Amino acid sequence: GESVGLHLPTLSVQEGDNSIINCAYSNSASDYFIWYKQESGKGPQFIIDIRSNMDKRQGQRVTVLLNKTVKHLSLQIAATQPGDSAVYFCAEGRWGDMRFGAGTRLTVKP
Amino acid sequence: GAVVSQHPSRVICKSGTSVKIECRSLDFQATTMFWYRQFPKQSLMLMATSNEGSKATYEQGVEKDKFLINHASLTLSTLTVTSAHPEDSSFYICSARDRGFDTQYFGPGTRLTVL
Repeated sequence: GESVGLHLPTLSVQEGDNSIINCAYSNSASDYFIWYKQESGKGPQFIIDIRSNMDKRQGQRVTVLLNKTVKHLSLQIAATQPGDSAVYFCAEGRWGDMRFGAGTRLTVKP
Repeated sequence: GAVVSQHPSRVICKSGTSVKIECRSLDFQATTMFWYRQFPKQSLMLMATSNEGSKATYEQGVEKDKFLINHASLTLSTLTVTSAHPEDSSFYICSARDRGFDTQYFGPGTRLTVL
């Protein structure tokens, strides 16, 4: 069949700058949201999660923002480093019934 | 966007039985499919990478005789959990990558409960 694949959306940032990766979701019943990082050749790695009763959560150099009104999730990475270069996936739903985004490729320029 | 389906979405089985999980790419040819396992509140753990027409590549620590993977066509990969035990209970997720592209599409997952 005809290929319908896409190249990943990409975000290129300068080392030291802040990065913002966005994700839109459609299920208003989702109550759990996760951001994953996947480096080449490896499985996705948990970065940070947030429940629907929160709109912001901070980790080490990362912040997740949840806007339930417009069903939008974002991941902010402060002082982006070359090691942050990877594909970032969002996931939303409930455990056991999660939906994963297609991913965004973050490239950090030295 | 491209769609990946998994069947069944939930399965409960008795200890000692085998369970087959199907992963299908519905509107694209998936030359590579990935199988993951997820425990609650934990990362997806890559179990194996499956390329159409060849043997799957298993990650370290994953028993290939217990988790049989078959990628017989460009749209279908199956994971069979053989002689399932309660510790195999988990959420199994597949993803598929379209030929020539780098986007990876995830299936909705299969929740396996072994009694």
